[in-house]
Amino acid sequence: QVQLVQSGAEVKKPGTSVKVSCKASGYTFTSSYMHWVRQAPGQGLEWMGMIDPSDDSASYAHKFQGRVTMTRDTSTNTVYMELGSLRSEDTAVYYCARIGGQMDTYYFDYWGQGTLVTVSS
Amino acid sequence: DIQMTQSPSSLSVSVGDRVTITCRASQSINTYLNWYQQKPGKAPKPLIFAASGLLSGVPSRFSGSGSGTDFTLTISSLQPEDFATYYCQESYSTQWTFGQGTKVEI
Repeated sequence: QVQLVQSGAEVKKPGTSVKVSCKASGYTFTSSYMHWVRQAPGQGLEWMGMIDPSDDSASYAHKFQGRVTMTRDTSTNTVYMELGSLRSEDTAVYYCARIGGQMDTYYFDYWGQGTLVTVSS
Repeated sequence: DIQMTQSPSSLSVSVGDRVTITCRASQSINTYLNWYQQKPGKAPKPLIFAASGLLSGVPSRFSGSGSGTDFTLTISSLQPEDFATYYCQESYSTQWTFGQGTKVEI
């Protein structure tokens, strides 16, 4: 069965960066885009960007352009999301989510368990 | 960017009630609209894709409708396990915007 397992919680200082991983199993890794979504405490869901594991190409939400990088490692079926220049407002749970669907209709069908990133001095 | 606006932000209901949540897009998104359910401390769960497609395993009391800019998620008879926050999301643009969420509570 499809599983997305994320790395553990992180505590970071303002101005530093964080790299979160998401290890995929149960399907062909290169066949589905992977997205990242975050959720600040008590807030809604915010789309950050996506990566195509087949060619490592990525596109990002305008808000995070220049501050986020998404990569993948096909040898371990893992995608990574690195967010730099962290500030307190980046404190959130970060989720990876796989794209599913067909016939030009897509949705996030499987999600990781979430990784809490806390930014605090 | 496309803006997605849900209403209401929260809803106080009782078991057995019919619940309707609306989602409005700032421009036409055809039927590229998905709905998710999220419970506290858990990842979102997909319910509806392409505005009205009920995903496998989702109870039939959930339904979706709409096209263009106006969409609706309906729960025909609310069950105790349905108390959660619901999000719409557009998959029309390259920005995959979510609505701000609707919390369904007692």
